[in-house]
Amino acid sequence: AQSVTQPDIHITVSEGASLELRCNYSYGATPYLFWYVQSPGQGLQLLLKYFSGDTLVQGIKGFEAEFKRSQSSFNLRKPSVHWSDAAEYFCAVGPFQGAQKLVFGQGTRLTINP
Amino acid sequence: GAGVSQSPSNKVTEKGKDVELRCDPISGHTALYWYRQSLGQGLEFLIYFQGNSAPDKSGLPSDRFSAERTGGSVSTLTIQRTQQEDSAVYLCASSPVDWGYTFGSGTRLTVV
Repeated sequence: AQSVTQPDIHITVSEGASLELRCNYSYGATPYLFWYVQSPGQGLQLLLKYFSGDTLVQGIKGFEAEFKRSQSSFNLRKPSVHWSDAAEYFCAVGPFQGAQKLVFGQGTRLTINP
Repeated sequence: GAGVSQSPSNKVTEKGKDVELRCDPISGHTALYWYRQSLGQGLEFLIYFQGNSAPDKSGLPSDRFSAERTGGSVSTLTIQRTQQEDSAVYLCASSPVDWGYTFGSGTRLTVV
């Protein structure tokens, strides 16, 4: 069955430090992959997406992610985090039955230490 | 409007009562999705609309849940005889023909 695993429920990093959030997926074909961010009390905002082509994708707010087919991974990275990056991050995979239905991971909560 | 609008933003209801959650998608977006986010959980797919029809209702957790969409625009998610386990944030998203969700801010439902 299709699934997404985000192994880290909670990560704390210091402001200015680098960040990597892990995402592993199970999907029967070439997936579409997404990272979303959710700030407290807000909806989800798309950070970046991978459909095909270059396996390193750039997103908004200085984030990037790399698709590694051999590892079934799509890890999110940022070279230097800012206090405003504190939020919940969700990885997602799709599509299903020809629709834009997505399966989401459980999320990783990011805390930034000053 | 510029974004996906959901109302109410918060709803507290007594167990056993019916509730209606509303979603106003971005104008022109043909697809509309409902997801549920329970405390500490990821997002759980509920139902998908293409126009006014719902090709995929597979995520609705029970027959107490139903949804409709009218005029290819506004959608209403109805939960009958609410239970405490229905407490969650209900998120709506819309998309144009091409890929790319825009999510609303959600409705936080609390069943007491």
